Amino acid sequence: QSVLTQPPSVSGAPGQRVTISCSGSRSNIGTGYDIHWYQQLPGTAPKLLIHGNSNRPSGVPDRFSGSKSGTSASLAITGLQPEDEAHYYCQSYDSSLSGWVFGGGTKLTVL
Amino acid sequence: DVQLAESGGGLVQPGGSLRLSCSASGFPFSSYAFFWVRQAPGRGLEYVSGISSKGDNTYYADSVKGRFTISRDNSQQTLYLHMSSLKPDDTAVYYCVKIVAATPDPYNWFDPWGQGTLVTVSS
Repeated sequence: QSVLTQPPSVSGAPGQRVTISCSGSRSNIGTGYDIHWYQQLPGTAPKLLIHGNSNRPSGVPDRFSGSKSGTSASLAITGLQPEDEAHYYCQSYDSSLSGWVFGGGTKLTVL
Repeated sequence: DVQLAESGGGLVQPGGSLRLSCSASGFPFSSYAFFWVRQAPGRGLEYVSGISSKGDNTYYADSVKGRFTISRDNSQQTLYLHMSSLKPDDTAVYYCVKIVAATPDPYNWFDPWGQGTLVTVSS
């Protein structure tokens, strides 16, 4: 059971918009710790997608955006493309565990 | 170009030991803190351990505390993870990851990631 809760899977057709939620608690997101998002394409290492809740590293398309509110965060992907099919993970810090924590991951399927 | 290359993975029996290495290039290694993050087959990501730029501060997940030791050799630009008393639950791909700070803090994100090295604990 992950400290941060993500839906196991989401799907959408090419061109559509999808969102992936990341639900936490008062000991992590609710404390004000940032949420970061990673994309893991099949058979590859994770890659940073969003840092500091809503900041895109250079090279990440602006189709990807992040937001945070209260004890939850979300990743939105607009104009869905076949190459977006991957696993997506949220990450933060938990003060009760005194450690960095990840969500369980969400598999995005592009129909 | 920042590059991280892990090595040292393999098959080990329960109770055994293994040392992972991560060779870094393309940036001033001694200026940054590093982490090890693992991923069990078909599972999600799990923080394992972190170390400050000078190696004077180390951090461990409860699941590995007392069994794993993180260290670094700044002169060789290499990060290590010494794993002992290994259990089948330690089977995973182990990733070396860099953060944009000298000392880990709760706001850190992990970037970039190495390609990973597979550790299999089985008899």
